[in-house]
Amino acid sequence: NAGVTQTPKFQVLKTGQSMTLQCAQDMNHNSMYWYRQDPGMGLRLIYYSASEGTTDKGEVPNGYNVSRLNKREFSLRLESAAPSQTSVYFCASSGRGEYSAEAFFGQGTRLTVV
Amino acid sequence: QQPVQSPQAVILREGEDAVINCSSSKALYSVHWYRQKHGEAPVFLMILLKGGEQKGHDKISASFNEKKQQSSLYLTASQLSYSGTYFCGTEKRSGGSNYKLTFGKGTLLTVNP
Repeated sequence: NAGVTQTPKFQVLKTGQSMTLQCAQDMNHNSMYWYRQDPGMGLRLIYYSASEGTTDKGEVPNGYNVSRLNKREFSLRLESAAPSQTSVYFCASSGRGEYSAEAFFGQGTRLTVV
Repeated sequence: QQPVQSPQAVILREGEDAVINCSSSKALYSVHWYRQKHGEAPVFLMILLKGGEQKGHDKISASFNEKKQQSSLYLTASQLSYSGTYFCGTEKRSGGSNYKLTFGKGTLLTVNP
């Protein structure tokens, strides 16, 4: 029973490099989210997807793109990494349908851009 | 727009009580509460829906005042295991049946023996 799985767990990038953070959930959830966590800033929403085939911007979308490949997977892409994107990234999913539902978080990806 | 949490940090002795507040400037559909231990992912505590209901989980309870767009988390007779960062998450409709879940900056709770 894996829940939400993120890969990789750690990554170091050079400025200007690109990479994709992968997220998959096995709970048949409709909603998926990407957050970044920085000291003193809490969890900030980057992008979210209410259902397969739909995505929408969150609070801090600049510099990121997302793909909801299917119901299970929601990936986050950094096209040209910048030091300001050094952060811990969390993917989450929820079974939100007609009613609100708890969000389950992956274990996070610690990204450093040098 | 992130909900506003207060206080930013609180230090307790085991057995003491604490209240963490969360407010938003926009109409909310629901309020979530999560706890995060250092180096781990946030873990769900409870959801409160519109209607001013109060929910409880062991010695942790919460309320949601829909009119004031405020929620409070009550921790009574705190235990060492309560230490961590508490986040409130607020859910707003962003169009159609889409709901955006955004979080506050967190409240660091430290419980000492």
